Amino acid sequence: DGGITQSPKYLFRKEGQNVTLSCEQNLNHDAMYWYRQDPGQGLRLIYYSQIVNDFQKGDIAEGYSVSREKKESFPLTVTSAQKNPTAFYLCASGGQTQETQYFGPGTRLLVL
Amino acid sequence: AQSVTQLDSQVPVFEEAPVELRCNYSSSVSVYLFWYVQYPNQGLQLLLKYLSGSTLVKGINGFEAEFNKSQTSFHLRKPSVHISDTAEYFCAVTPLSGTYKYIFGTGTRLKVLA
Repeated sequence: DGGITQSPKYLFRKEGQNVTLSCEQNLNHDAMYWYRQDPGQGLRLIYYSQIVNDFQKGDIAEGYSVSREKKESFPLTVTSAQKNPTAFYLCASGGQTQETQYFGPGTRLLVL
Repeated sequence: AQSVTQLDSQVPVFEEAPVELRCNYSSSVSVYLFWYVQYPNQGLQLLLKYLSGSTLVKGINGFEAEFNKSQTSFHLRKPSVHISDTAEYFCAVTPLSGTYKYIFGTGTRLKVLA
């Protein structure tokens, strides 16, 4: 089955802690994306990557970091600098023609 | 730069009634247009997309949308809704070339009433 997987489904963060959200795709897509979703605000782009070993900041990159060492994987780290991390995080991927984005099931991050 | 406006944050409608969810966009370049659906605590699923050609686009679950270039709109319609259509719907655009960034609207929550 081709698709995008995100893990874990729920993640709890303690104050001052860094946490990493996993995103894996087997669709052979070049581009991958991370979005943050808050109620009433739609999707906001955190980071995106068009190719391995390269990524760009989106609209709300502060307090987040990413890596793209493999085509299939695009992990997102929520650092302690992100003061309001509680949200639903969505990973997506898209082909080189950028015609469509496909989304993973999401990770809900909660702060203890 | 591009922007997307979904004019209605919530739309209640009775089962078997028609529905239209409105989407307007702003862009100085040509764009691709999309509608996605999101069920609670899930990711987004593609409903339909406009890339080129016929301005009336048919998607999954009986939805369709019409691209109107002069009005810069891409409204989503369904002639008869079901309870199972209750979800949040997002309109999105991306430019045909250049950046790979997608711009999403803030979403419209469709609630189908029995």
